[in-house]
Amino acid sequence: EDKVVQSPLSLVVHEGDTVTLNCSYEVTNFRSLLWYKQEKKAPTFLFMLTSSGIEKKSGRLSSILDKKELFSILNITATQTGDSAIYLCAVNTGNQFYFGTGTSLTVIP
Amino acid sequence: NAGVTQTPKFQVLKTGQSMTLQCAQDMNHNSMYWYRQDPGMGLRLIYYSASEGTTDKGEVPNGYNVSRLNKREFSLRLESAAPSQTSVYFCASSISVSGNTIYFGEGSWLTVV
Repeated sequence: EDKVVQSPLSLVVHEGDTVTLNCSYEVTNFRSLLWYKQEKKAPTFLFMLTSSGIEKKSGRLSSILDKKELFSILNITATQTGDSAIYLCAVNTGNQFYFGTGTSLTVIP
Repeated sequence: NAGVTQTPKFQVLKTGQSMTLQCAQDMNHNSMYWYRQDPGMGLRLIYYSASEGTTDKGEVPNGYNVSRLNKREFSLRLESAAPSQTSVYFCASSISVSGNTIYFGEGSWLTVV
């Protein structure tokens, strides 16, 4: 059974802290791994990763994939209250997108 | 840019009532999906349509039916709503089932009492 597991389930940090969110997967056919940020409404796309070891970066957010160990991490440096959200990881297997349960991040001023 | 549009945004149903959630995308995507999101459960796939004219069950299809009306539209029907179907429903689309990115609608909050 294909599955995606995220950890931790929730996290509370202070502004300025650095956080690392984890996503591990077991799927029969890996095509890509995606990260999304979900605030009140629809998840919005952050990154797509297909190759091991290549970091994707956007401002204070960065992500990397390890296809040998079957996981990805999402780093957020110098966190701000606007980073408070649920972060979702998804794996595309070529015929479906499988989502993890998400990590709920709360950034306290 | 409309992207993925779903209606209604909020709905309260009585147990046993039926309703249809509508979804349309204007990105010329081939594949469309319906997910439900419950606390602690993440996004779970109900049904998907890889291309116009096809539909397939996802992880949690029981109690639901879908129709891919045309390339743009994919509806989700609850024939006899149950309290267990209280959830937030998201429609989504992608270029294909192996497409790079999946795009979501704003969500439909459904409460069954």
